[in-house]
Amino acid sequence: RKEVEQDPGPFNVPEGATVAFNCTYSNSASQSFFWYRQDCRKEPKLLMSVYSSGNEDGRFTAQLNRASQYISLLIRDSKLSDSATYLCVVNRSLPGIFGTGTRLQVFP
Amino acid sequence: GAVVSQHPSWVICKSGTSVKIECRSLDFQATTMFWYRQFPKQSLMLMATSNEGSKATYEQGVEKDKFLINHASLTLSTLTVTSAHPEDSSFYICSAAGQRNEKLFFGSGTQLSVL
Repeated sequence: RKEVEQDPGPFNVPEGATVAFNCTYSNSASQSFFWYRQDCRKEPKLLMSVYSSGNEDGRFTAQLNRASQYISLLIRDSKLSDSATYLCVVNRSLPGIFGTGTRLQVFP
Repeated sequence: GAVVSQHPSWVICKSGTSVKIECRSLDFQATTMFWYRQFPKQSLMLMATSNEGSKATYEQGVEKDKFLINHASLTLSTLTVTSAHPEDSSFYICSAAGQRNEKLFFGSGTQLSVL
């Protein structure tokens, strides 16, 4: 079993839809969690950190479930520009472990 | 936020040549930098951890004599792909930890194509 797993997708959703991704991790000692966005042939860019209390940034909401060992990312009111690959990162220590990414394609 | 600059963005070279990629932290000191490789439709794969003033730590399966890493200063790490072959064609990305040593900041990546 991989230490960090994501559904590779692709998730094809219409504009305006709400979509959610999960990322599971196997090491309960993991301490910090992040979601990154990566466009094709570009570097990953930090989207948001994930806290136990959950956090929200505009249309994006991230949550952590330590008991079940997963993090989630919810995107509301999807835009065409949200089309990208979303990577989760799980840290016990740097550099952390990347998931394989979930591909999102938003269509008109 | 922290800025990491990576050059060049694109490299096309002949088989057998060596290619150097630079990664600079522009507004902070990075004692540790990381080098990744990413093949199409795959995730980032950590190649090595670069520590300023000491030898890099390579991940299993990564040839240290082929991928030479130098981290001579707190703001610069270089990756040299020696005697590149077509199978080395990939997207190479560096990253550095922020000053709170928690988040990673990435360079813009280098697309290497070996003919």
